[in-house]
Amino acid sequence: AQSVTQPDIHITVSEGASLELRCNYSYGATPYLFWYVQSPGQGLQLLLKYFSGDTLVQGIKGFEAEFKRSQSSFNLRKPSVHWSDAAEYFCAVGAGGFKTIFGAGTRLFVKA
Amino acid sequence: GAGVSQSPSNKVTEKGKDVELRCDPISGHTALYWYRQSLGQGLEFLIYFQGNSAPDKSGLPSDRFSAERTGGSVSTLTIQRTQQEDSAVYLCASSLVGSRTGRETQYFGPGTRLLVL
Repeated sequence: AQSVTQPDIHITVSEGASLELRCNYSYGATPYLFWYVQSPGQGLQLLLKYFSGDTLVQGIKGFEAEFKRSQSSFNLRKPSVHWSDAAEYFCAVGAGGFKTIFGAGTRLFVKA
Repeated sequence: GAGVSQSPSNKVTEKGKDVELRCDPISGHTALYWYRQSLGQGLEFLIYFQGNSAPDKSGLPSDRFSAERTGGSVSTLTIQRTQQEDSAVYLCASSLVGSRTGRETQYFGPGTRLLVL
C-alpha cells in the first residue's frame, strides 16, 4: 500500500541555520511527490513538486527537495531558515486513483 | 484571484447533532477534494469530485458522512449524528482538472475547525 512517512514530528532550528526535513514514501511505480506548508490558521500551500526529470527540484521561498529513488526519499531542504518559515510541513505522494497520500507532518520551530 | 474558501471557519456542536461544512472552490476548477486533519495526524482523504463524474467516496469513514457538489462548483460536506471523534479540521481543496495519476496541484482552503462536545 502507498504510504508516506515523515520521521520527525517536530524540529527546532536556529534562524540562519540550514534545514532538512525527511520524507520517505512507499509506492510501486514512479511517484508524483509534493511538499506543502501549512502556516497557523492557514490552508496548505504547495512548496514544490516532482514528476520526472531532474531529481533536484526548486520551489518557492528558497526551498528545494531531492528525489532519491534508491532511498525512496524526497527530503526538503533550505540553506538558511528564516523565522517566518516556522510552520508545519507535509510531504505527499500522488498515488493514482485521484488520491494524494499525505504524511503526518513535521512541525518546524525557529529560534532566534 | 480568489482562492478556495470554506465556511464556517469554526463550528462547535453537540454530540448527535448534524453539521454542514461548505467549500467554494477556485472558479474554473473542475476537481474538488475533502480531507480531514485530526490533531497530530496527516491529512486523511475523504471524498473527491471531478466534473460530472460519480464522486470517489472511498475515504468517507462512515455512512454518517456525505458530500455533494451542486452545479459543479460549491460543495457541502455533511456529518450526521456527530461524535466526539469527528472533531478535526476539515480541509477542502480544488484543482484545475482531476488526474488519475495524482499529479495535479491542489489548492487548499483555510479549513473548518469542528469541535464536537
